[in-house]
Amino acid sequence: GENVEQHPSTLSVQEGDSAVIKCTYSDSASNYFPWYKQELGKRPQLIIDIRSNVGEKKDQRIAVTLNKTAKHFSLHITETQPEDSAVYFCAASIGAGGTSYGKLTFGQGTILTVHP
Amino acid sequence: NAGVTQTPKFQVLKTGQSMTLQCAQDMNHNSMYWYRQDPGMGLRLIYYSASEGTTDKGEVPNGYNVSRLNKREFSLRLESAAPSQTSVYFCASRGGLGVEEQYFGPGTRLTVT
Repeated sequence: GENVEQHPSTLSVQEGDSAVIKCTYSDSASNYFPWYKQELGKRPQLIIDIRSNVGEKKDQRIAVTLNKTAKHFSLHITETQPEDSAVYFCAASIGAGGTSYGKLTFGQGTILTVHP
Repeated sequence: NAGVTQTPKFQVLKTGQSMTLQCAQDMNHNSMYWYRQDPGMGLRLIYYSASEGTTDKGEVPNGYNVSRLNKREFSLRLESAAPSQTSVYFCASRGGLGVEEQYFGPGTRLTVT
């Protein structure tokens, strides 16, 4: 089955700096890659996602890049703010149109701390 | 529109006791999922239901059973709880063909002593 590795496990930055979190996946058939943000005691919430027919996607201060050949994808947060502090999870799936029925395999998570 | 709801929010069980975690969604979604979240291990899929009337095992199904009661509701049952099942359980739902985003419920924090 799919295996997703996420690094680093913790990341500490100063407010205004950029943060980068990287994930690798094992199944070349995976074609959907979401990123979730989870605040302490709360549910995971989707912040951005990318499909395998796209190399990069941006949404304000957040961007995701995908390298299908190397089987890795990354989350980039620019101009970080203290409210960005949370746990971030990457995930991969083969996509809901196929027999995987949209099953997500998650990375282990990255605890991001943004210091004022 | 409440989205995905879960009950209870917290539960403490003794080893060997049974319980059912309830999940409901009001978004008319076809697919529903149960995950568990343990420290340092991300979320792992326990069971899923691709559509009403179907269920299938995920990555960590041992010790659990599920029921897709109707399109709205998907329950997770622990028949004989074990300390290894201490975790936070999340239910999620997804719209349908071509719609990838999964929406999560607020979670149930379960402790088995």
